[in-house]
Amino acid sequence: DAMVIQNPRYQVTQFGKPVTLSCSQTLNHNVMYWYQQKSSQAPKLLFHYYDKDFNNEADTPDNFQSRRPNTSFCFLDIRSPGLGDAAMYLCATSSGQSYEQYFGPGTRLTVT
Amino acid sequence: AQKVTQAQTEISVVEKEDVTLDCVYETRDTTYYLFWYKQPPSGELVFLIRRNSFDEQNEISGRYSWNFQKSTSSFNFTITASQVVDSAVYFCALSEAGVRRLIKASGGSYIPTFGRGTSLIVHP
Repeated sequence: DAMVIQNPRYQVTQFGKPVTLSCSQTLNHNVMYWYQQKSSQAPKLLFHYYDKDFNNEADTPDNFQSRRPNTSFCFLDIRSPGLGDAAMYLCATSSGQSYEQYFGPGTRLTVT
Repeated sequence: AQKVTQAQTEISVVEKEDVTLDCVYETRDTTYYLFWYKQPPSGELVFLIRRNSFDEQNEISGRYSWNFQKSTSSFNFTITASQVVDSAVYFCALSEAGVRRLIKASGGSYIPTFGRGTSLIVHP
């Protein structure tokens, strides 16, 4: 089945220790998104790519970076995680011409 | 600017009851898309339905039905004969065609605005 995969599902990192979250997709979609979701809140868009073209949301902290080396993979790098970065991180895809998004299972990040 | 309001923070029902989740939206665009997503406790958001602004037909899929009314800017979601497995957070979302982000000349991406979500708890 075509899908969006995120690894790991759970990630524990120390305060200030860089961490990378990964996302892959078999849907061959042009667009990939990274969202941050905190408890009882809506997902908040951090970045998205149309193919390799990158779009950064204005309020995404500089501490967050992203890479998309090819169509299938996308990475979220948190350079110096703070306690406030503990959240669920969701990856999503959509085709360039359709509208709905397909989400991965998410990575729950804990910062100790 | 686009805005989505889900006034119901949490709804609690007993199995087999019908339940309606409300969604009210604001947009200045004449072409837009409305969505419902389900987020079970496992965390993955699951796409349920998309509606285009020019198609006001209501839709039914099994126990799920959606009522789209442009006159009241609402896109409500009804679950008939609810089941415990329906327990989840449900998000309504809106994408405006006019604010499609054109990163490349050949295409762009739609950036949805999500409501805050409604937590549905179905008790056995």
